[in-house]
Amino acid sequence: QSALTQPASVSGSPGQSITISCTGTSSDVGGYKYVSWYQQHPGKAPKLMIYEVSNRPSGVSNRFSGSKSGNTASLTISGLQAEDEADYYCSSYTSSNTLVFGGGTKLTVL
Amino acid sequence: EVQLLESGGGLVQPGGSLRLSCAASGFTFSSYALSWVRQAPGKGLEWVSIISGSGGSTYYADSVKGRFTISRDNSKNTVHLQMNSLRAEDTAVYYCAKGNGYSVVTLCDPWGQGTLVTVSS
Repeated sequence: QSALTQPASVSGSPGQSITISCTGTSSDVGGYKYVSWYQQHPGKAPKLMIYEVSNRPSGVSNRFSGSKSGNTASLTISGLQAEDEADYYCSSYTSSNTLVFGGGTKLTVL
Repeated sequence: EVQLLESGGGLVQPGGSLRLSCAASGFTFSSYALSWVRQAPGKGLEWVSIISGSGGSTYYADSVKGRFTISRDNSKNTVHLQMNSLRAEDTAVYYCAKGNGYSVVTLCDPWGQGTLVTVSS
């Protein structure tokens, strides 16, 4: 199972919006609504931010949103804040009843 | 509150074995599948294995198939990862994560704090 494709890095200034893409295949991202996004700060465990493409768990800011078109999913963070600086990973359920993660994207808040 | 606590990591020589454990609390353990996910130093997340709520169904990444075995003890709310024939490329922090279903896992939430496995001579 090949990893999903994410940009290595993105950046934005406070208050701006950024979007991180996550590209897979019809056997994972394109075939199911089960795309999740995780935030990971240095030295910490990942935290679920978005599930089932666009749903936010309780307690996650509504500045985080998700979408999907075809084989590509996207995470958008609006109103960037300093504490958003972290690594972000997408994941998808696959046709093999497994999970696959993206390579990760480092978000820098300028 | 759901809590997951991994243990068992450490330094092991190439070709050696190690058994990781994940103790869970705060939810009906036998009703949920659990996953192991690893992260090599400075690298991204890699899904490793999933076990269903009963333990009757297991799945593995190709990179560990035939070397790693996942199991669970529902009487002790614990999941294990037996790692044999370890290689340098298995060096990573290993996370235990709760799934969202009995046999199908579409997300990981929450995650434990992780346990570091170092394979080196």
